[in-house]
Parts: sequence; C-alpha cells; structure tokens
Amino acid sequence: GAGVSQSPSNKVTEKGKDVELRCDPISGHTALYWYRQSLGQGLEFLIYFQGNSAPDKSGLPSDRFSAERTGGSVSTLTIQRTQQEDSAVYLCASSPAVGRGLGSYEQYFGPGTRLTVT
Amino acid sequence: ELKVEQNPLFLSMQEGKNYTIYCNYSTTSDRLYWYRQDPGKSLESLFVLLSNGAVKQEGRLMASLDTKARLSTLHITAAVHDLSATYFCAVDSSLGTYKYIFGTGTRLKVLA
Repeated sequence: GAGVSQSPSNKVTEKGKDVELRCDPISGHTALYWYRQSLGQGLEFLIYFQGNSAPDKSGLPSDRFSAERTGGSVSTLTIQRTQQEDSAVYLCASSPAVGRGLGSYEQYFGPGTRLTVT
Repeated sequence: ELKVEQNPLFLSMQEGKNYTIYCNYSTTSDRLYWYRQDPGKSLESLFVLLSNGAVKQEGRLMASLDTKARLSTLHITAAVHDLSATYFCAVDSSLGTYKYIFGTGTRLKVLA
C-alpha cells in the first residue's frame, strides 16, 4: 500500500517568503507528526496531530511556524517570512494511533522536504 | 524534560566485528523505538520495544530494553558494510502527550 508522501521534495525559497509543506499520511492513520532535521543532526519534534487537533505544539520554533490538518488526513506545515536558519529537511510521520495500550504506535516516515532558504 | 542520549555518536568498525550502541533516557518510559537512516533518505523502522526486558533480533542486529535502568542497547554482530547508516533511538515521552523524543543518532561506518 501507499506510504507517507510529502511534497514538494525540494523547495528553494528566498528569505522572507512564505512556504507550505504538505504531508499525506497513510490512510487510516490518526496520528501525524512533523519533525525538522538539520544537516547531520538528529530529529527535532515540531508538532503532532491526533485527528485534526494538535495537542502538543511545543516544538514549533516560533510563531512563524504553523500547521493544520484537515479531514483527519492531509497536513500542511506553513513557515512565514522564512529565515536562513529554517533551512533543513522537514519530515512527516504517521502512526495508526496514539495511546498507552498494547499497540506499538510505530511511526512511518515520509521521504521529507528539503527546504533551502537563500 | 525528557532527554535521550546515544553513544557513541560516531562509530567506525571493521567488518566481522561486534559492537553495541547505547541509548539512555531521562524519565520513565516503557516504549522505545530504533530507526535506521541512510544518507539522504528518510527513517526506516527497525525495532519496537514495548516492555521491560524486551529483546528483538533481525539479522545481525539485536535490540533490548531495560526500563529500570532507562537504557536500550542495539548490538551489532559480525558487522557488514551494508549496515553503514545512522541509527536513532526514540522514546515516547509518556508525560501527558504523545510526542517522541529522538536521540542524537549514532553514525556507523563499517569498513571492508
């Protein structure tokens, strides 16, 4: 079946412009996560969705970053007035559910969007 | 705040050798994941460890979890070049939200 897809795969933008990154999770997955990975670094948590709501936005670096999810499916991460330090790979992951039960709640990652701010 | 540390950060080893990567975390969690990332690629799930004492094996890799020590290990047996990649552990924060905190990653290079 189809995995997590992200678009665009690469985005080059000028400083100060707004960008939108899209994530299509695996069908039926209720949880969706956004991470940022700078070159040679680990993953930085940004936000997660449970359905259409975002219980934890604590990782968003500033108010220039926002995200939404509609229909319990597609999510967009918007970065306004981009800065050079926003350059990174933005990874999206989805999971069948969240919880403390017996499920693994394993995350399945998309290929990422490489954002370069010039 | 939950912190997840891996060591070593870099590991260069000869083919055929054994080695262990360590993942320590700072607060209670009973759910730990290992991922592999090849250069320029996304993350691939390797293991899901759901309880104290859990052990999973796949090929030359074996992962274990000790929740009392807040420690997971990823053991590599008789390394081969194809295992060269960056390995991440991730912990479910279990602190009221369901965000996952990733370790710093261990960059493994297996030399022929």
